[in-house]
Amino acid sequence: GAVVSQHPSRVICKSGTSVKIECRSLDFQATTMFWYRQFPKKSLMLMATSNEGSKATYEQGVEKDKFLINHASLTLSTLTVTSAHPEDSSFYICSAIRLAGEVRGNEQFFGPGTRLTVL
Amino acid sequence: QKEVEQNSGPLSVPEGAIASLNCTYSDRVSQSFFWYRQYSGKSPELIMSIYSNGDKEDGRFTAQLNKASQYVSLLIRDSQPSDSATYLCAVRGRDDKIIFGKGTRLHILP
Repeated sequence: GAVVSQHPSRVICKSGTSVKIECRSLDFQATTMFWYRQFPKKSLMLMATSNEGSKATYEQGVEKDKFLINHASLTLSTLTVTSAHPEDSSFYICSAIRLAGEVRGNEQFFGPGTRLTVL
Repeated sequence: QKEVEQNSGPLSVPEGAIASLNCTYSDRVSQSFFWYRQYSGKSPELIMSIYSNGDKEDGRFTAQLNKASQYVSLLIRDSQPSDSATYLCAVRGRDDKIIFGKGTRLHILP
């Protein structure tokens, strides 16, 4: 399968600081990437859709000023958690769509995730 | 009505038996269907894609799609303890966004 990387894999920060998470598609170009959050034993929650060259689309209830998304190139999207608080502690996972020539063939691959702990 | 529904489980299956995971979806025009496996503390891993009615086999895995009944299933033959995980069903929606079910926890009993 296609490879999507995330950095860092784990981060611990103090309350009030900002944390940047990078998501890279290593062997394909991705015009669209997604950011998810997952709390322990809960399902994936889509936070936003990151589109290369345009503004991200946020899901209802997700604060765009708190979760800043930048999709600067076809292989890189970043999520910045601003002024992090303990309730932002979670597992953040990005994914990228690899185009397969036909719309129905597009497949979505996940990065390994970033575990954020805010003290 | 939830868009992609799965039984949360846990589904317990003896080692060596067939594990059967089911999923239903609400949008009749959906064309692309996926199964992901997620181990605890890890991100989801794509294991099967299916686009046409019928069966698609890959090793010990078989995905089955029935668009008329709006269900997709995953069969795991010769279940191994390493298959114990949460299995997520995913469907591509009208806006090209992939919608995930909440997942079924599978436990293979040694």
